[in-house]
Amino acid sequence: AQSVAQPEDQVNVAEGNPLTVKCTYSVSGNPYLFWYVQYPNRGLQFLLKYITGDNLVKGSYGFEAEFNKSQTSFHLKKPSALVSDSALYFCAVREGSGNTPLVFGKGTRLSVIA
Amino acid sequence: NAGVMQNPRHLVRRRGQEARLRCSPMKGHSHVYWYRQLPEEGLKFMVYLQKENIIDESGMPKERFSAEFPKEGPSILRIQQVVRGDSAAYFCASSPGQGVAYGYTFGSGTRLTVV
Repeated sequence: AQSVAQPEDQVNVAEGNPLTVKCTYSVSGNPYLFWYVQYPNRGLQFLLKYITGDNLVKGSYGFEAEFNKSQTSFHLKKPSALVSDSALYFCAVREGSGNTPLVFGKGTRLSVIA
Repeated sequence: NAGVMQNPRHLVRRRGQEARLRCSPMKGHSHVYWYRQLPEEGLKFMVYLQKENIIDESGMPKERFSAEFPKEGPSILRIQQVVRGDSAAYFCASSPGQGVAYGYTFGSGTRLTVV
């Protein structure tokens, strides 16, 4: 069965500093990996995805993520954090076959402090 | 081009009543997914539907919960005889196909409160 782990419930970073939100996954086949962001009282918004190709994926709002197959990780990064990046971030995985739905991690709350 | 529309945004029900949550997918999307979000638990998959078919209901509780996606109209998540533990945010997502490369587009959710 596929699963996602986000080991940090909360990440605090100062504005202007780089940020990393961690994600590791487990699938039996090829992974298809996604990051979503959720602002208060809103639905999830797509940030980026890894399907194949370059391990470094660039997405919306200056975010990027690096796929590392040997470490089964897909950490979300941004070189310089903004206060407006403060939100709940979800990593998700689909296994590379059939109709399997997206499986989400528990989420990591990012707080960017001015 | 409206996104995924969910209504109502907020729903209050007394214990024992029925809750009906509606989801209209994005135009051109024929795949609908329902997720439940509980505090500190993240998003839990409930059910995956295509028009008139339930594809995967492995995340649905065995009793009181049902879902449909008729040929015409929105997808409906129905909770009968609600209990306090059903209080949560319920999100619907849609995608244009079943290929694994498709991400989902989410609605803003329905927040169910059982009193």
